[in-house]
Amino acid sequence: LAKTTQPISMDSYEGQEVNITCSHNNIATNDYITWYQQFPSQGPRFIIQGYKTKVTNEVASLFIPADRKSSTLSLPRVSLSDTAVYYCLVGGDSGAGSYQLTFGKGTKLSVIP
Amino acid sequence: DSGVTQTPKHLITATGQRVTLRCSPRSGDLSVYWYQQSLDQGLQFLIQYYNGEERAKGNILERFSAQQFPDLHSELNLSSLELGDSALYFCASSVELGPSLFGANVLTFGAGSRLTVL
Repeated sequence: LAKTTQPISMDSYEGQEVNITCSHNNIATNDYITWYQQFPSQGPRFIIQGYKTKVTNEVASLFIPADRKSSTLSLPRVSLSDTAVYYCLVGGDSGAGSYQLTFGKGTKLSVIP
Repeated sequence: DSGVTQTPKHLITATGQRVTLRCSPRSGDLSVYWYQQSLDQGLQFLIQYYNGEERAKGNILERFSAQQFPDLHSELNLSSLELGDSALYFCASSVELGPSLFGANVLTFGAGSRLTVL
């Protein structure tokens, strides 16, 4: 299984761009990288997914270098409502079509007014 | 509303008791995943079902069991409850695209069931 490593916490001021980097040295060839956002007492919510290079949607951008051993989630101009825990997720096939989607501890982003 | 329905939202019970948590996946999703999240902890994967069959097992205790029914809803049974079982239990569902496209699976989570064991 591809394990992920993220910073435990980050602080940012409102209006700034925030970049959260995730390391996944053992990523498999067919694995995608997916990021989720979780507010307190709520289920995680899908933000963005990518395989390589750059992906952008209305919420965030995801940068993935050629070796795919890391990825960076970029949140443009954060607001107070972006305060949440962000999880980087890399799936793993544990055999016979079974998959264990393992979340790490995530990065707790605190946006300061 | 994510489309994944979990009941009950809150549950308070005593040590030694047994509870059942229920999950209805999003329409069209065949896979159901169960996760446990204790206070200030990350999401611990418990178990996955696909179209009624167990697909993957994570850190699920022997006191816990789950199943997915023909109508695709799933139940997580927790027995001989201990204080440490107090947690948020999340169910997620996905459209399984197959091994070659596994990495593209996106999970849709329910709002969770908060279990308090006293």
